[in-house]
Amino acid sequence: DIVLTQSPATLSLSPGERATLSCRASQSVGYCLGWYQQKPGQAPRLLIYETSNRATGIPARFSGSGSGTDFTLTISSLEPEDFAVYYCQQCSNWPRTFGQGTKVEIK
Amino acid sequence: QVQLQESGPGLVKPSETLSLTCTVAGGPISNYCWSWIRQPPGKGPDWIANICDSGSTDHNPSLENRVTISVDTSKNQFSLRLRSVTAADTAVYHCGGAPNKYYFDHWGQGTLVTVSS
Repeated sequence: DIVLTQSPATLSLSPGERATLSCRASQSVGYCLGWYQQKPGQAPRLLIYETSNRATGIPARFSGSGSGTDFTLTISSLEPEDFAVYYCQQCSNWPRTFGQGTKVEIK
Repeated sequence: QVQLQESGPGLVKPSETLSLTCTVAGGPISNYCWSWIRQPPGKGPDWIANICDSGSTDHNPSLENRVTISVDTSKNQFSLRLRSVTAADTAVYHCGGAPNKYYFDHWGQGTLVTVSS
């Protein structure tokens, strides 16, 4: 299985600051990587697919980059509703796997 | 707007079979791939299996052939059966939809299933 390692585990930031989240794959996934946001008691929501494409309705402050084994999700200026847990997911190999998550919390 | 809703028992005894159904509302069940994904408390999601409208299925090998996924197009539902459950199968179970099997752009709210005697 492809293991996805996310860092940091927790990111403490203030509204308006820039958030940079990392996802590293145990082997190359090409560009087949997505990002999800999950708030307490809710299902994950797809933010980014194919490394850098925003899903429908996702604000432009969310952006993704990377390739191969190293990927980044950037939130350019944190809004209050962005404080949540973020997961990456690879679609290159079976089984599909997710990272363990990065929690973005209010500082 | 497609909405997914899981249903099934919230408590299952060890060694028994966990059975869940996902109802797809607001759109046809065809032309999509449908998945089950579970999330142990406080952990990241784990993909379990998917079924596409062609009838093809994929399963997570870690579940050692305990999984059956099926679809009932007449009811716009798909289902999961997980046999021989243990406490390690306790999780929130989500149903999800993925175009072309790649990314899950539709999710159910999730249902907590606890395995306990």
